Amino acid sequence: QVQLVQSGAEVKQPGSSVKVSCKASGGTFNTYTINWVRQAPGQGLEWMGGVIPIFGTANYAQMFQGRVTITADKSTSTAYMELNYLRSEDTAVYYCATESGPYYYDGHGYYYFDYWGQGTLVTVSS
Amino acid sequence: SSELTQDPAVSVALGQTVRITCQGDSLRTFYANWYQQKPGQAPELVIYGKTNRPSGIPDRFSGSTSGNTASLTITGTHAEDEADYYCSSRDSSGNHVVFGGGTKLTVL
Repeated sequence: QVQLVQSGAEVKQPGSSVKVSCKASGGTFNTYTINWVRQAPGQGLEWMGGVIPIFGTANYAQMFQGRVTITADKSTSTAYMELNYLRSEDTAVYYCATESGPYYYDGHGYYYFDYWGQGTLVTVSS
Repeated sequence: SSELTQDPAVSVALGQTVRITCQGDSLRTFYANWYQQKPGQAPELVIYGKTNRPSGIPDRFSGSTSGNTASLTITGTHAEDEADYYCSSRDSSGNHVVFGGGTKLTVL
């Protein structure tokens, strides 16, 4: 059973950066991808990107390219998401989640987010 | 295509069956997963792959796929099933994760 514990709430000024951490326990950190998903107030879920700790390679959603950096520290089983050039629209709850996959069955592939952190509220306000 | 489309809201009478759908071209290649989210909580996986349920998810939850449409069915809906439900999959390239806009389920 994997547990993900995220860092606490942040209040940031527009134009600044935020770095949110996600510490994993109860599993083998290198065996899954850590993804970041955000949810603006009253809105849906939005995938930001993910990192494979064993390789250190990250993959980002196009809308965050150039503004987000996702990393993983294998020595502490902790993943990080840093978002730069913050604006008010970045006010959201940010979640980390482990991803299992790919698997293949009956001609289809699939991945899924099986464990989630508790979420970190980032408020961007002047 | 990188979009998954869900109805914004669905309602169901207590004890009845409800189907929540998710449409997208990538569902012809990748199965959808379904997440339940209650207010103030993190999402929780309820269905993954073709129709797998994680441990602890009641068997009244089931999934299916036909063509470009995935469905989450709740048979004998309980009051505690009232929540937002999100489908998720990969885009057609398989490189990026996509979420549907979510369906708010109301249990009457």
